[in-house]
Amino acid sequence: DADVTQTPRNRITKTGKRIMLECSQTKGHDRMYWYRQDPGLGLRLIYYSFDVKDINKGEISDGYSVSRQAQAKFSLSLESAIPNQTALYFCATSDPIRDRVAENNEQFFGPGTRLTVL
Amino acid sequence: LAKTTQPISMDSYEGQEVNITCSHNNIATNDYITWYQQFPSQGPRFIIQGYKTKVTNEVASLFIPADRKSSTLSLPRVSLSDTAVYYCLVGGGRRALTFGSGTRLQVQP
Repeated sequence: DADVTQTPRNRITKTGKRIMLECSQTKGHDRMYWYRQDPGLGLRLIYYSFDVKDINKGEISDGYSVSRQAQAKFSLSLESAIPNQTALYFCATSDPIRDRVAENNEQFFGPGTRLTVL
Repeated sequence: LAKTTQPISMDSYEGQEVNITCSHNNIATNDYITWYQQFPSQGPRFIIQGYKTKVTNEVASLFIPADRKSSTLSLPRVSLSDTAVYYCLVGGGRRALTFGSGTRLQVQP
C-alpha cells in the first residue's frame, strides 16, 4: 500500500462549486504539504502544516483553505472553484532528520489529484 | 528562502554522463541541498541530498564546493528512463522548500 494517498485522483467540477481534496499518510510524519503544478511549470506551495496545530500559508494560498484533522490527514478545500485553479495537486509529507549541523527535509509525495474546473 | 537557478533544459544521449549545475548564492549555514526527479503526472521523487563536499548513492552523485554557493548533480551513464525534470532545492528546518521550474533532461537513444 502507498504511504501517501490522495483522493480523488481525478475530478471535474464547475465554477463556483466547493471542492475538497484529501490526503492521508501512514508514514507517521508530522509535516504535511499541499502543492499545485500547472503544465510545464514547477510545484508551488499552497499550505503546509508542521503538526496538527501548526498550519502555514505558502506561496499561493488565496482561494484555498486547509484542515489538519489528525496527524495522518491533511485536506485542501477550494471554497468556490474557478477555472484558473485547474491543475495537478500534490500532497507531501516529511519528517526532518536533525544532525549537528542542520535539519534536512526530504519530502514524500502522493500520486497527485488532477482537478479540472469548467 | 534561498533562491536557486538551474538550466531550463538539457539534452543527452544514452550512456553519457550528465551534470546539472544549480546556483544558490544566498544559501544559509543550516541549509541542505536536495535534488528531486519528476516524471510526467507523478509526484517528485527524492534523488540525493548533501551539505558539503561529495555525496554518492546508487543513483547519482552530488558535488558541493567549499563555498556551497552551487552544486552539481551528476547522473552516470544515463538511459532513456532518466528523461525527467530535475529540481534543485535549498533549505530545511521550519522553512518550507521552494521547487522552482527545474531542468528538463531529454535523453536520446
